[in-house]
Amino acid sequence: AQSVTQLDSQVPVFEEAPVELRCNYSSSVSVYLFWYVQYPNQGLQLLLKYLSGSTLVKGINGFEAEFNKSQTSFHLRKPSVHISDTAEYFCAVSDMRNTGKLIFGQGTTLQVKP
Amino acid sequence: EAGVTQFPSHSVIEKGQTVTLRCDPISGHDNLYWYRRVMGKEIKFLLHFVKESKQDESGMPNNRFLAERTGGTYSTLKVQPAELEDSGVYFCASSQDPAGFGEQYFGPGTRLTVT
Repeated sequence: AQSVTQLDSQVPVFEEAPVELRCNYSSSVSVYLFWYVQYPNQGLQLLLKYLSGSTLVKGINGFEAEFNKSQTSFHLRKPSVHISDTAEYFCAVSDMRNTGKLIFGQGTTLQVKP
Repeated sequence: EAGVTQFPSHSVIEKGQTVTLRCDPISGHDNLYWYRRVMGKEIKFLLHFVKESKQDESGMPNNRFLAERTGGTYSTLKVQPAELEDSGVYFCASSQDPAGFGEQYFGPGTRLTVT
């Protein structure tokens, strides 16, 4: 079985500051890793995913994440945030042997202040 | 191209009543998933359709929940009878890829409140 832990439920940050949203996972099998974002009144949207290869993954809207196998982490980063990045962010994993079932973390609300 | 749509956006029902949620996936997506988020908790998988067949229903809470996917197109999730603990946001997602690496496209969710 897999589990995902997002260490911060809320992250307040000022506009143009850097941000890191933390995600750790537990799994006895190899997994794919994802970050999704949910803007108010919208569905979840894929930010980026790690399948294999380079451990640094770049996504949309200037976000990137680094897969660290030894620490079982997949932290999301952005060097300079905008007000429009205010949203809830979800880390998720999918068992490579399975057919797409996503296991989510609890979500992190990013609050960007002017 | 239209995204995943869900109906209704909100539903308020009394305990013991029946509610049916509908999801229309992106056209051509064979894979359809249902998830639920209870307030304050993580989003949890309910089940997965491939076309009209249930591939994985390991997340369905109990037999009060019935999911169908007619002709491999839209899907419905019926809760009968509803209980207070069924309150939450129900998300539907669809995917073109058969394996776990594919992007799932999510609908905006249906917020169900059972009073």
